Amino acid sequence: GDSVTQMEGPVTLSEEAFLTINCTYTATGYPSLFWYVQYPGEGLQLLLKATKADDKGSNKGFEATYRKETTSFHLEKGSVQVSDSAVYFCALRRFSGTYKYIFGTGTRLKVLA
Amino acid sequence: NAGVTQTPKFQVLKTGQSMTLQCAQDMNHNSMYWYRQDPGMGLRLIYYSASEGTTDKGEVPNGYNVSRLNKREFSLRLESAAPSQTSVYFCASSEVQGVAAGELFFGEGSRLTVL
Repeated sequence: GDSVTQMEGPVTLSEEAFLTINCTYTATGYPSLFWYVQYPGEGLQLLLKATKADDKGSNKGFEATYRKETTSFHLEKGSVQVSDSAVYFCALRRFSGTYKYIFGTGTRLKVLA
Repeated sequence: NAGVTQTPKFQVLKTGQSMTLQCAQDMNHNSMYWYRQDPGMGLRLIYYSASEGTTDKGEVPNGYNVSRLNKREFSLRLESAAPSQTSVYFCASSEVQGVAAGELFFGEGSRLTVL
């Protein structure tokens, strides 16, 4: 069945450091891929998405490219801020009557000033 | 601009007690979902409702029941709580069509502890 694997956290970085959070997936066909972010005490919210191979999703300085050949959707940001401290979830989505998501286990990011 | 509202935010139960988590959305979405979030396991789908009047099991439905009361409201019931149901529960909604089709909108979560 479908699955999503994320790198284990926590990830601790200094402000302005470069961020990469790895995400790989296993799926048949061509699912859409997502990154959701969960700030402390809140529900998840969409960060970015890509719906087909080679698409690049971007938002708030974060980017991720849908790589079908490596079944990956790694999240990157060139310069992190303290306000980026959160838990990041990679997910894939299929449509079967309704939209169904498979989430990764989440990666906690802590950015130090 | 409420979005998705869950109640209660915190609850402590004893083993065997029952309770209902309430969820309401004001975005006129057709689909609603209940997830549980556990450390090291991400989010797992408990039940979902593709549209008013329908409900279906997700990945981990055992020990839960749901009711899609109307288009706005989707409740999750624990009939006889067990310690394994200690978790953070999230309600979410989405629309099938439109610019934000398929995007999940989440509530703030309900933290449940079963002793």
